[in-house]
Amino acid sequence: QKEVEQNSGPLSVPEGAIASLNCTYSDRVSQSFFWYRQYSGKSPELIMSIYSNGDKEDGRFTAQLNKASQYVSLLIRDSQPSDSATYLCAVYEGSQGNLIFGKGTKLSVKP
Amino acid sequence: DVKVTQSSRYLVKRTGEKVFLECVQDMDHENMFWYRQDPGLGLRLIYFSYDVKMKEKGDIPEGYSVSREKKERFSLILESASTNQTSMYLCASRTDPYTEAFFGQGTRLTVV
Repeated sequence: QKEVEQNSGPLSVPEGAIASLNCTYSDRVSQSFFWYRQYSGKSPELIMSIYSNGDKEDGRFTAQLNKASQYVSLLIRDSQPSDSATYLCAVYEGSQGNLIFGKGTKLSVKP
Repeated sequence: DVKVTQSSRYLVKRTGEKVFLECVQDMDHENMFWYRQDPGLGLRLIYFSYDVKMKEKGDIPEGYSVSREKKERFSLILESASTNQTSMYLCASRTDPYTEAFFGQGTRLTVV
């Protein structure tokens, strides 16, 4: 059973700080990695996708991928109260093409 | 804009009823998915479809079936609803296995 692991949190950071969210995965052949944000009662929305080792930046968000360590992370700079949500890590599972999700990390940004 | 639409936002059904959850996407996507989401358990894959009339079981297919007669529509069927199927159901679609999936707004189903 392929797995995606995240710390459930809650992760609490002050406004303006950097929030660091981590994810590990078990499938060595995974090629595609995604971060979704989910507000309470809403459906997940895509924040970032990353396919190659290294960093990918989009505004205040940076995704980092290390395939050798089977590790993907999301950094949120200058965190805002509106960033308070659950962040889901998703991994394309190579053998069957499933999109497997971690259980999510709940982030709380305090004003 | 990407559009995945689920037929109902909230649904209340009785135990034993046959329940249909509909999902339509307007992006000509090949792949479509049905997940359920429960507190503490995360998103769990029920069924997915790579093409019209093609379906594959996910991690928790028991008690569910699916239908994909047209590319844009993927239906989830609860053959005989039970209280343990009370959950948030999420439909998603994507172009191919390497690209991001887009979600519908979700259907919160309560079985009483």
